[in-house]
Amino acid sequence: ETGVTQSPTHLIKTRGQQVTLRCSSQSGHNTVSWYQQALGQGPQFIFQYYREEENGRGNFPPRFSGLQFPNYSSELNVNALELDDSALYLCASSLWHGTNEQFFGPGTRLTVL
Amino acid sequence: GESVGLHLPTLSVQEGDNSIINCAYSNSASDYFIWYKQESGKGPQFIIDIRSNMDKRQGQRVTVLLNKTVKHLSLQIAATQPGDSAVYFCAENRLNTGNQFYFGTGTSLTVIP
Repeated sequence: ETGVTQSPTHLIKTRGQQVTLRCSSQSGHNTVSWYQQALGQGPQFIFQYYREEENGRGNFPPRFSGLQFPNYSSELNVNALELDDSALYLCASSLWHGTNEQFFGPGTRLTVL
Repeated sequence: GESVGLHLPTLSVQEGDNSIINCAYSNSASDYFIWYKQESGKGPQFIIDIRSNMDKRQGQRVTVLLNKTVKHLSLQIAATQPGDSAVYFCAENRLNTGNQFYFGTGTSLTVIP
């Protein structure tokens, strides 16, 4: 059984640019959630994908968007990057049957200059 | 607003002692809770979970207690070891939100050898 993987590990962008982060879910998991974790804070829910559709969204603007693919992997896209977007972006996978434990990947550290 | 919060931001314990980390939540619709451990540079690691129809659950060296009356959750770590040093988060899932979790700020646990 493989765990959740994310790429890249680190990324540096400049303000106004666009970024794509990738996540492969744990084997057998069909639901992917994305979180943003600012330094010294807890993870904040961005959105969740199930059956290739967004299923729930936190308090994030539309420039945060995502995709889920038939193999359950997922992408997080952020347009028009702002300095405050600098954070650790975490992907978590789970099974879609009510509430279930989520397993997190190691995260992608995004720095916006 | 409604939130998941932690009583203490930092906790230091002697190796071998028991640790207790507390968490308060304010949403009465929360029905599932997870404790996560996050080490520096890593994603959150699942420790133990509890559903709202239980008031206690035990794992290996860890016990979670849930008091729904006062909306309080605690994580007890027995015989704390240096490897337990990390930031601990409680995360809540609110009824009918699928697998969307809300995290508190976290408690930093330091184990003194």
